[in-house]
Amino acid sequence: AQSVAQPEDQVNVAEGNPLTVKCTYSVSGNPYLFWYVQYPNRGLQFLLKYITGDNLVKGSYGFEAEFNKSQTSFHLKKPSALVSDSALYFCAVREGGQAGTALIFGKGTTLSVSS
Amino acid sequence: EPEVTQTPSHQVTQMGQEVILRCVPISNHLYFYWYRQILGQKVEFLVSFYNNEISEKSEIFDDQFSVERPDGSNFTLKIRSTKLEDSAMYFCASSELEGPSVGQFFGPGTRLTVL
Repeated sequence: AQSVAQPEDQVNVAEGNPLTVKCTYSVSGNPYLFWYVQYPNRGLQFLLKYITGDNLVKGSYGFEAEFNKSQTSFHLKKPSALVSDSALYFCAVREGGQAGTALIFGKGTTLSVSS
Repeated sequence: EPEVTQTPSHQVTQMGQEVILRCVPISNHLYFYWYRQILGQKVEFLVSFYNNEISEKSEIFDDQFSVERPDGSNFTLKIRSTKLEDSAMYFCASSELEGPSVGQFFGPGTRLTVL
């Protein structure tokens, strides 16, 4: 069965420092990996995805994620955090390329960036 | 930028009542989804819909739930007889047919409160 693990409930970083939000996944086939961000009282906003190709994927708002097949990880990164990055971040996986297939979400990681 | 919209933003109902949650997917998208997020928990897949029929559904999506695309723009989720445990944020999402840029785009959600 597919699953996603986000081992940290909360990540705290100071503004200007690099940030990493961790995600590991488990699928039996080829993984399609996604990161979403949720601001308070808002819906999920798509940040980036990995389908195939380069292991380093660049997305919205300066975020990037690195796909590591051997470690089955897809960590979200940003070189310099902003206070406005504070939000709830979800990693999600989909097995295969069928558009109707469900996204399986991790439990989310709260990112808190202090000024 | 096109976006998924949902109405109402907040629905309060009595246990046992029927509710209909409405969504307008992005206009050129062909796959539609419903997810829910119980407060403090992960986002869970309910159902996907394509070509006027259910493509995939989860264990949560039992006989109390139904989906419909009544016209060319709306996509609805009906809960026939609400239970207290149906209280959650319900997210609608849509996606194009599979392609390099495909992703599921989420609406802002409807917060359902069952009393």
